Amino acid sequence: SQQGEEDPQALSIQEGENATMNCSYKTSINNLQWYRQNSGRGLVHLILIRSNEREKHSGRLRVTLDTSKKSSSLLITASRAADTASYFCATDGHNQGGKLIFGQGTELSVKP
Amino acid sequence: SAVISQKPSRDICQRGTSLTIQCQVDSQVTMMFWYRQQPGQSLTLIATANQGSEATYESGFVIDKFPISRPNLTFSTLTVSNMSPEDSSIYLCSAPSPKEQFFGPGTRLTVL
Repeated sequence: SQQGEEDPQALSIQEGENATMNCSYKTSINNLQWYRQNSGRGLVHLILIRSNEREKHSGRLRVTLDTSKKSSSLLITASRAADTASYFCATDGHNQGGKLIFGQGTELSVKP
Repeated sequence: SAVISQKPSRDICQRGTSLTIQCQVDSQVTMMFWYRQQPGQSLTLIATANQGSEATYESGFVIDKFPISRPNLTFSTLTVSNMSPEDSSIYLCSAPSPKEQFFGPGTRLTVL
């Protein structure tokens, strides 16, 4: 079954503002990954955070993971119009053979 | 890293027909997965393509509708059989690595 709830479902901000997206999941995980998708095109891998990590940075991206709450957040700082896309979290669960379960996604719109 | 290609990139098909999607990885991988992304939705796992044995299907997906082949460690096919307009989606294949899961660019299918 699918797991992973993301909120908000849609987020609209001005260029330069920060965007925070949240993801919750249901089962124990090996890692959690965040992806970006522009207008129904291919998926772009953003960042992977392992279950024993609490925070990870990559450029303007900051990801946190709280395994006790089964939740993660993606923060994009100083957003740009080019960040406009759909963002998905995906979990790699224990004993799941590497298959990913995706959240419902957050549609981010950054207005210039 | 792995590079994954898919063919065709898009197709428009008549209902009742079948389409076979090919997925090629540029290196040998143990696991390959097939996902479906319906319009405006997130990704849903269809099945795990196992090399040398039958695919393992997720709940709601059956072999008669989505037969899968995995003849070797670099190639897999997904057939969408007896198509209906509800099968209009993007179909993506993927292969995991320790650092991320690599996705193909997707096949955009429209069924009329």
